[in-house]
Amino acid sequence: GAVVSQHPSRVICKSGTSVKIECRSLDFQATTMFWYRQFPKQSLMLMATSNEGSKATYEQGVEKDKFLINHASLTLSTLTVTSAHPEDSSFYICSAPDGEGRPQHFGDGTRLSIL
Amino acid sequence: QKEVEQDPGPLSVPEGAIVSLNCTYSNSAFQYFMWYRQYSRKGPELLMYTYSSGNKEDGRFTAQVDKSSKYISLFIRDSQPSDSATYLCAMSSGGYNKLIFGAGTRLAVHP
Repeated sequence: GAVVSQHPSRVICKSGTSVKIECRSLDFQATTMFWYRQFPKQSLMLMATSNEGSKATYEQGVEKDKFLINHASLTLSTLTVTSAHPEDSSFYICSAPDGEGRPQHFGDGTRLSIL
Repeated sequence: QKEVEQDPGPLSVPEGAIVSLNCTYSNSAFQYFMWYRQYSRKGPELLMYTYSSGNKEDGRFTAQVDKSSKYISLFIRDSQPSDSATYLCAMSSGGYNKLIFGAGTRLAVHP
């Protein structure tokens, strides 16, 4: 089946640090990837849609200068949390559909903790 | 009103029980329906994927979609403690459109 790999799985860093999270589709090409944020005991909140070779589309209320998304190839999208602060601590998850109209496959998430 | 409504539970059942999980939705444009299972501190795992109305069975899992009622269900037969997780329904109108998720139902299957 389609596999999405996310790295790193866990990050602990100091306030003010920028953190990059990678999302890779291992056995399929993904022109579109999605980035979510999830708080404890809550559902996934879509942050942005990442499009290969073009700018990401951000959901309302998500700061595009804070959460930088780059989708430079058909198998890799990155999310950079710039100048992270404790309120950015959360579980970040990426996903990608393995084709048009196909279901999204999720990475295992990145637990980000900002001290 | 949310686009997708799902009872968050928690739902607690004994091992071996049949579990019924449900979602309702309001957007008639939704054509693709999914159920995901999410264990704590993990990403969601795709369980079932259905296009339009109908039933789909995979092992102990059966997904049903009734577009006329805007109602989808997931049935788990012979539930096991390893089924204890949060179950998320999700749907989209197709293409590369974003998924709309339900709140997720927390299920606990006790021995």
